[in-house]
Amino acid sequence: GQQVMQIPQYQHVQEGEDFTTYCNSSTTLSNIQWYKQRPGGHPVFLIQLVKSGEVKKQKRLTFQFGEAKKNSSLHITATQTTDVGTYFCAGQVNAGNNRKLIWGLGTSLAVNP
Amino acid sequence: GAVVSQHPSRVICKSGTSVKIECRSLDFQATTMFWYRQFPKQSLMLMATSNEGSKATYEQGVEKDKFLINHASLTLSTLTVTSAHPEDSSFYICSARALGRMNTEAFFGQGTRLTVV
Repeated sequence: GQQVMQIPQYQHVQEGEDFTTYCNSSTTLSNIQWYKQRPGGHPVFLIQLVKSGEVKKQKRLTFQFGEAKKNSSLHITATQTTDVGTYFCAGQVNAGNNRKLIWGLGTSLAVNP
Repeated sequence: GAVVSQHPSRVICKSGTSVKIECRSLDFQATTMFWYRQFPKQSLMLMATSNEGSKATYEQGVEKDKFLINHASLTLSTLTVTSAHPEDSSFYICSARALGRMNTEAFFGQGTRLTVV
């Protein structure tokens, strides 16, 4: 079945270090979305990438969508303690009328002050 | 952004009883809502896709007679966990996407932490 692999599962960094999480889909995606879930909270939408090779930035966060629209990455520059949480990618496939999202397993980020 | 309200946020019930969880889109209409289950420190597991006015589509391995879904209006979907058992204890989250905007982000409810004792 359709899968989105996300690595690493966990990442522990010192404050100020960079962080990257990668997602790879078994099928071509129509778009990919990124979410952040704080401990005890619910997923919150960060961004959506639609175009092949697209790169978007949000302050210290850089999101990339691969040329083949099968892989994506989220890079955080100079992490802060407020970046702690689990980052999920979710790929959209055109599955009939529902167009459900296929979720990665998430990368849990811990930041040491 | 759009608001999705999920209620209750926490519930403790006795084994064998049923629990209903509500998911409401407050400021937009949602033809489709998604119900997820999440175990501690794990990803979201899609249980079913709820379609307004029609039967829900369940993912493989999810018992539709145990997890009853009703999507009676464009702003409300409910998930009822019937005859709950301790192994049903989990974090249940709904999400909704706006009517006519299937290529946009999903908005999540706050989640319901169910504990079956």
